[in-house]
Amino acid sequence: EVQLVESGGGLVKPGGSLRLSCAASGFTFSMYSMNWVRQAPGKGLEWVSSLTASGSHKYHADSVQGRFTISRDNTKNSLYLDMNSLRAEDTAIYYCAREPAGNQDLDYWGQGTLVTVSS
Amino acid sequence: QSVLTQPPSVSAAPGQKVTISCSGSDSNIGDRGRFVSWYHQVPGTAPKLLIYDNNKRPSGIPDRFSGSKSGTTATLGITGLQTGDEGDYYCGTWDSSLEVGVFGGGTKLTVL
Repeated sequence: EVQLVESGGGLVKPGGSLRLSCAASGFTFSMYSMNWVRQAPGKGLEWVSSLTASGSHKYHADSVQGRFTISRDNTKNSLYLDMNSLRAEDTAIYYCAREPAGNQDLDYWGQGTLVTVSS
Repeated sequence: QSVLTQPPSVSAAPGQKVTISCSGSDSNIGDRGRFVSWYHQVPGTAPKLLIYDNNKRPSGIPDRFSGSKSGTTATLGITGLQTGDEGDYYCGTWDSSLEVGVFGGGTKLTVL
C-alpha cells in the first residue's frame, strides 16, 4: 500500500526556518517525481515545488523561489522541503504528493502537515 | 488569482449531471503536450485524484466521472450525483512557459 507521511510542521516566527519531511513506503520511491502542494486556511491548492526521480531537476513556485528548497534522499525513501525566511502567508497545510508519469498527475497524497507562521 | 479559472460553485440535485470547467492558456491546458488532472477534496482531508491525462480514471473511480479537453479548456463531468460527491474540485496541470505546476481556484459542488 502506497503511503506518504509528512512531518516537521509547527509554529514558527516570521523570518524563521523549518524543514518538512515526507516518508514514503509501498512503492519504489526512486522511480517517481515528487511534489509539495500547500493549502492556506480556507483557500485552494497551491503548487509549491517538484523534484524529478533522480533529483536532477527541481522546480519552485515564484512565491517560494529563493526561500524554499526541495530535496530527496532515495536511500531513505524521503522527500524534504527546507523553508527559510518564512512569512505569514506561508501558513498552510503542506502535502507531499507522488507524480507517476511526469504529467503533473498527482496520484497519491499524504495527510499533510500544518505550518503556522506567526509571532 | 489562479492561472487556471474554475467557477466558484456549482450545484445540482441527486441523480442529476453537472459539469465543471477549467480554463487556461496556450502554455498550459492549450499545450498539446500537457495533460489535465482533476482532484476531489472533502474538507479536512487530502485531495484525491479523480481524472488524469485529461480523461483517464484511476482504479476505483466510477465511470460517473469523466474528463475532456478542448483547446484551452478542460471539463469534468459527473453524472448520477450523490451526496458523497459534495466537496471541492480542482483542476491541475503544468505550465510549459512558466515551468511551474498550476491549479484552478477550486469549485465547490453542492448536491441539493
